Amino acid sequence: DGGITQSPKYLFRKEGQNVTLSCEQNLNHDAMYWYRQDPGQGLRLIYYSQIVNDFQKGDIAEGYSVSREKKESFPLTVTSAQKNPTAFYLCASTTSGRISYNEQFFGPGTRLTVL
Amino acid sequence: AQSVTQLDSQVPVFEEAPVELRCNYSSSVSVYLFWYVQYPNQGLQLLLKYLSGSTLVESINGFEAEFNKSQTSFHLRKPSVHISDTAEYFCAVKPSNFGNEKLTFGTGTRLTIIP
Repeated sequence: DGGITQSPKYLFRKEGQNVTLSCEQNLNHDAMYWYRQDPGQGLRLIYYSQIVNDFQKGDIAEGYSVSREKKESFPLTVTSAQKNPTAFYLCASTTSGRISYNEQFFGPGTRLTVL
Repeated sequence: AQSVTQLDSQVPVFEEAPVELRCNYSSSVSVYLFWYVQYPNQGLQLLLKYLSGSTLVESINGFEAEFNKSQTSFHLRKPSVHISDTAEYFCAVKPSNFGNEKLTFGTGTRLTIIP
């Protein structure tokens, strides 16, 4: 089945440690996105990538880093510089190209808790 | 830039009663409009979308939304809700110009169905 996989579903880390969240898709989508979700704040865009080896900062990129070495994978690293990392993280992907609209498909999310 | 306002953070409704979830947006360019649904501890699923054409759009599970350009609104309605509709609902907008895939989300409305 095609889809987006995020692992793990729950992640606990000590304060000051970097942690990497996995996002894999087998939909052959070009573009991938990372969102952060906090209660009452909706979804906020952290980083996005429209093509392999290229990515752009979203609205809240500080304290995060990404890489896009393969089309299927877009890992997100939450660094110790992120002041309030506890949140629900969602990965999404979509096709890009000549079609003017492409639906974003979302993964199941990773809930990160920093202790 | 775009913004989305969902004024109601929580909406309790009795089972089989009608419901309306409000969404207003602001944008200097034409946009596409979406409603996403999120069940507890899951990712987002597209519920319905407005791209062009008829301003009234429907989903397969009885929800509908109407695009009102003059009021910059895209309210979501259902004439009779079911317990299974309990979820959080997000309104989102995307510029309609080709190549801009960034979605802007509202803060969400938590719909609770009372038996």
